[in-house]
This record gives sequence, C-alpha cells and structure tokens, in this order.
Amino acid sequence: KAGVTQTPRYLIKTRGQQVTLSCSPISGHRSVSWYQQTPGQGLQFLFEYFSETQRNKGNFPGRFSGRQFSNSRSEMNVSTLELGDSALYLCASSLGGAGVSTDTQYFGPGTRLTVL
Amino acid sequence: DAKTTQPTSMDCAEGRAANLPCNHSTISGNEYVYWYRQIHSQGPQYIIHGLKNNETNEMASLIITEDRKSSTLILPHATLRDTAVYYCIVRSRRVRTDKLIFGTGTRLQVFP
Repeated sequence: KAGVTQTPRYLIKTRGQQVTLSCSPISGHRSVSWYQQTPGQGLQFLFEYFSETQRNKGNFPGRFSGRQFSNSRSEMNVSTLELGDSALYLCASSLGGAGVSTDTQYFGPGTRLTVL
Repeated sequence: DAKTTQPTSMDCAEGRAANLPCNHSTISGNEYVYWYRQIHSQGPQYIIHGLKNNETNEMASLIITEDRKSSTLILPHATLRDTAVYYCIVRSRRVRTDKLIFGTGTRLQVFP
C-alpha cells in the first residue's frame, strides 16, 4: 500500500505570494492532519480534516487554511506569505472515524517551503 | 493531553540496545503513550504505542511502568540508521482527534 504523498516536495516563494500544498492520504484513510515544523518552534499542529470537515484547528493565523475533498485528498493554503512561514509542512493520515479511539497517524515526507 | 519530558540527547554504540526514557507523570488513565521518530528532514515515522501493558513490534519494545508515569522505548540492536530524533507523545483516547502534540524529543546518535 502506498504511503502518504505530498506535492510539491520543495517550493520557493517570495513574500506576499500565496501557496497551495497538496496531500494524498493512504488509501482508505479518511482523516488528514497538517503540521508545520520550524527550527525555532518544532512540530506544531495546524489543522485536521475528516470527511471534508475541519475537526480541529491549531493556533495559527487565518492566512493558513485548508480543505479536504471527497476522495480524502487535502490541500492547505497559505496566503500573503511571510519570511517566518519558511518551514517543512507535514501531512499525516489515519483511518479516522467517529467515536472514541486513537488511530495511528502516518506522515508524508513533507513539503519544504522557502519564502524569500 | 499530559506533558512529556525527555532527555535532549543520547548516544548509543552500534549493536547495543538503545533505551530512551520518557516521563509523563501527569498521564491519565485514558491516555496512550506513542513513540515516533524523525530522521533528518523526513516525516515522522510511527514506532509503537501502548496504554499500560508492555508492547513489542518489529521495530522496538515499549516498557510502561506500573504507575504509568514513565516509559522506555527500547531499540534492541541499534544501527546507524536509527540515528534520529525520538518523540514520546501522550494522546487521549477519549477525544476524537488526531492532533499530536510534539515536544522537543531526544536526539539519538548511534556511533560505530
């Protein structure tokens, strides 16, 4: 079974631009989460989607947004890029589902975004 | 979710067992202990998780103390490829969310 895939793997943008990153979860997984990793702040949770609905959100400004499609693929968008948005953006997927349980999350390789 | 404390760094000789400790003294009864590792600039890799019993898989063993306030991840025969940052995460099984809270982790250096 193929793992989580993220595209593009590397991206260079300039301040003020916007960017869209894509994540394809493992087949059959319905939950997708996004994380930002920087040297200063470490790994931080951005948001989580399940069945095309945002289920949880981290403490990031509104410039960071996401969505999930009916096939569980997800995109995240960052508008008006700032130098501090330079980071490794990671996507993770799990089976998801309702009820109280903890599904294991599997991470993709990440997208390295550089803002100049 | 309970907070975890891990040593900043550890060394291990290749072929020896690597024992990585994690303190989670405020863990509650409905929280699991998860371990992930991240090899330089790659996505975190799931290793193992447990609730209160010791667990073993093809990658590692997880030993959780009886009071559940600490745990140890054991890599039985460390190789150079095990050099990575290891994260211990406590995660609630009552709340329906996949949010993981990462700490700073332990940087394990395996040397020849």
